[in-house]
Amino acid sequence: DAGVTQSPTHLIKTRGQQVTLRCSPKSGHDTVSWYQQALGQGPQFIFQYYEEEERQRGNFPDRFSGHQFPNYSSELNVNALLLGDSALYLCASSLRRTTYGYTFGSGTRLTVV
Amino acid sequence: SQQGEEDPQALSIQEGENATMNCSYKTSINNLQWYRQNSGRGLVHLILIRSNEREKHSGRLRVTLDTSKKSSSLLITASRAADTASYFCATGVKKSSGDKLTFGTGTRLAVRP
Repeated sequence: DAGVTQSPTHLIKTRGQQVTLRCSPKSGHDTVSWYQQALGQGPQFIFQYYEEEERQRGNFPDRFSGHQFPNYSSELNVNALLLGDSALYLCASSLRRTTYGYTFGSGTRLTVV
Repeated sequence: SQQGEEDPQALSIQEGENATMNCSYKTSINNLQWYRQNSGRGLVHLILIRSNEREKHSGRLRVTLDTSKKSSSLLITASRAADTASYFCATGVKKSSGDKLTFGTGTRLAVRP
């Protein structure tokens, strides 16, 4: 039973560019959340998707957008990249109507130069 | 923003000793979860305790929750070198629109063989 899969694992982009990160949730999960983790910090909530809609959003600018597909997979898009966007981006999946721990992917390490 | 603080920020112990980490938070919660992270990669869910529970055990892990003090502790007994990692507490809040985790700043645990 596959866990959460994220791609790519590493990415280097230039300031001002756009990036798309991808996430496939654990089998049976219907909700996907995205987190940004700067070096030495705890993860920060970006947003959560359920039934292909953004349900909750953290304190992130509109440059951060997302999408969820009918198969529950998700994308995170970041436009006009800034140096400060360099971080580990984590995707977590869960089952909406339960209260269990989330399953996290291994993350995408984004470096903006 | 981070929900709260974890204490200590770093902890170094000898194999076989117990490790205790504390977490404080600021708002009302539905549950509190602990995660482990190795070398800046994905988070692994360790244990979840609901707001109406005071103590929970899982193998060598013991978690306590004091909602009146808005604090929790994680005890790892008989530590092993493989327990070396960063440990994060995360508070879970459920709303009709969805749920999200808010992470603490983490405790870096080093277990010396």
